[in-house]
Amino acid sequence: QVQLVESGGGVVQPGRSLRLSCTASRLTFRNYGMHWVRQAPGKGLEWVGIIYYDGSNKYYADSVKGRFAISRDNSKNTLYLQMNSLRAEDTALYYCATDRALSYFDYWGQGTLVSVSS
Amino acid sequence: QSALTQPPSVSGSPGQSVTISCTGTSSDVGTYNRVSWYQQPPGTAPKLMIYEVSNRPSGVPDRFSGSKSGNTASLTISGLQAEDEADYYCSSYTISSTFVFGTGTKVTVL
Repeated sequence: QVQLVESGGGVVQPGRSLRLSCTASRLTFRNYGMHWVRQAPGKGLEWVGIIYYDGSNKYYADSVKGRFAISRDNSKNTLYLQMNSLRAEDTALYYCATDRALSYFDYWGQGTLVSVSS
Repeated sequence: QSALTQPPSVSGSPGQSVTISCTGTSSDVGTYNRVSWYQQPPGTAPKLMIYEVSNRPSGVPDRFSGSKSGNTASLTISGLQAEDEADYYCSSYTISSTFVFGTGTKVTVL
C-alpha cells in the first residue's frame, strides 16, 4: 500500500521559517505530481500548492504565494514545503497528497501539525 | 481563489438518500470535469470517493455517485449507512492551473 509520511511540523514564532518533508514509499514517486493541502483546526481543507512530477511547474494558492516554496528530490522520494514569513493563520495540519492527471488527489499522508504562535 | 460553496450540513435516516451540492464558477467547476469528492471522518485524513465528476475508485461503494450541471457538482449517497457519517469536500481544477476545495459538508446519520 502506498505510504506518504509528513514530518517537520512544530511550534514556530510568527515571521520565522519552517520546512516540511513528505517521504513516499511503495510508489514510483518520480511519476507523480504532488500537492500540499492544509487544514486549520476545526476548519475545512485548503489547497496550498502543486509541483509537477519533474519539478518543471509549481503553482500556489494566493494565500501562500511568495512565502511558501515547494520542491522535490526524486532520488530521495521526498517532497518539501519551505514556509517563510509564517503567520498565525498558517497554523494547520499539513497534508501531502499525490496528483492524478491534474484532476484529483488519490493518496494522502496523515499530516504534520504546524502551530505559529509567539 | 474563492472556495466552492457547499451546504454546511445535511442529514438523513439510515437507508435514505442525501445529496450534497458544490457550486463554483465558470473558472472551475463549469469549465472542467475535474471535480472530485473526499470523505473525512473525524481525526482522519481525507479519502477519495469520486473523481472526474462521476467515477468511483476501486473499493468505494456504488452507493456513492456524482454528477455535474453547469457550475454545480453534486454527490449523492444512496442507502445511507451509519459509517457514512463524516465531513465531505468537493474539489476542482481551475483555469489558473490551481485547485480549490469546497467549504465542506457535515453528513449526519439520524
